[in-house]
Amino acid sequence: NAGVTQTPKFRILKIGQSMTLQCTQDMNHNYMYWYRQDPGMGLKLIYYSVGAGITDKGEVPNGYNVSRSTTEDFPLRLELAAPSQTSVYFCASSLWTESSYEQYFGPGTRLTVT
Amino acid sequence: AQTVTQSQPEMSVQEAETVTLSCTYDTSENNYYLFWYKQPPSRQMILVIRQEAYKQQNATENRFSVNFQKAAKSFSLKISDSQLGDTAMYFCAIRLMDSNYQLIWGAGTKLIIKP
Repeated sequence: NAGVTQTPKFRILKIGQSMTLQCTQDMNHNYMYWYRQDPGMGLKLIYYSVGAGITDKGEVPNGYNVSRSTTEDFPLRLELAAPSQTSVYFCASSLWTESSYEQYFGPGTRLTVT
Repeated sequence: AQTVTQSQPEMSVQEAETVTLSCTYDTSENNYYLFWYKQPPSRQMILVIRQEAYKQQNATENRFSVNFQKAAKSFSLKISDSQLGDTAMYFCAIRLMDSNYQLIWGAGTKLIIKP
């Protein structure tokens, strides 16, 4: 059971480039999330999804886009990368029931924009 | 807006000692969950312990326990018999029952266990 997987682990982008961070979970979780973690800070929610075909903005969505065409996959798209997007990105998933609310995290992607 | 404050940026203790990490939060809601997550150097986020706000009994998980003071909006984590593998960043987080299921995170406490 792989849990939540993310690719790539590391990436360096030039200003203005675009890329997609991949996230896949094999736990049949309905909820998925994208966070960013800046140095010395906690996580901030970028986007989340409550199920296939449904996405919504979190706290810091500007400069990002997401899609959720399947239950398993939740890619994060960066358009026109900026230095302010240098961060570590975490994908997470959870199964929302009355008694289950833990979020399971992927290993993260370290992105540097120069 | 909800906020989570961890006032200790860094702590260090000797192996086998007990250490307490503090966390305070601010919310006007009555129903929520509180979490402590551990982030070792591998960067993986690992759930350590959780507490439902409606439960008065403090949660425990082996060497980890919490002191949940709802009126004071305080949620501290106690690690007993600390081990070298406990060295990590520790994050406190709150999840409201009526929110869009997002976690609000503190800035973290770096815990170093010295041999």
